[in-house]
Amino acid sequence: NAGVMQNPRHLVRRRGQEARLRCSPMKGHSHVYWYRQLPEEGLKFMVYLQKENIIDESGMPKERFSAEFPKEGPSILRIQQVVRGDSAAYFCASSPRQGAYEQYFGPGTRLTVT
Amino acid sequence: DAKTTQPPSMDCAEGRAANLPCNHSTISGNEYVYWYRQIHSQGPQYIIHGLKNNETNEMASLIITEDRKSSTLILPHATLRDTAVYYCIVRVADTGNQFYFGTGTSLTVIP
Repeated sequence: NAGVMQNPRHLVRRRGQEARLRCSPMKGHSHVYWYRQLPEEGLKFMVYLQKENIIDESGMPKERFSAEFPKEGPSILRIQQVVRGDSAAYFCASSPRQGAYEQYFGPGTRLTVT
Repeated sequence: DAKTTQPPSMDCAEGRAANLPCNHSTISGNEYVYWYRQIHSQGPQYIIHGLKNNETNEMASLIITEDRKSSTLILPHATLRDTAVYYCIVRVADTGNQFYFGTGTSLTVIP
């Protein structure tokens, strides 16, 4: 079974550009979570999605950040007009149901804003 | 979700048991204790979880005190590959959407 896949693994963007991060959950999982990890810090929850629905976006910055999980295809985390403070590792996790004790994490996308 | 307190770092000799403590004095009756770990630059990995009984799986054992205010994760025979940051998290089972990762304990296994 393939695990959670994220691409790209590394992404470099200049200030003001857009960043698109993709996450394909494990087969059979319809629940996706995005976390951000700043350097030397723990992971911080951003958003929880089910297919075509945003369930909890309490950790998402109010501006420039958006997420979707369409009926077909991967989940996308989109950051518009990136700034240096957006440089971080972005991890996606998936689970087969809400509240599952185990979230399966992908390898992460490391975003660097220059 | 209750807050947890862990030592920032620990060392353990290879082949010995690694005992990682966690305090969660404000834990509620319906909150479980979860342990995840993050090996350098990788995504976190689930280890084990429990409510009030001690638990054991192929990776580790979880010992929860009777008052549930603290717990210990035990890696019975630590290897170099166990070097990682270990996160103790408390969360309501079945309804929580997210895990609150603190700063964890950085465990270094020494040859």
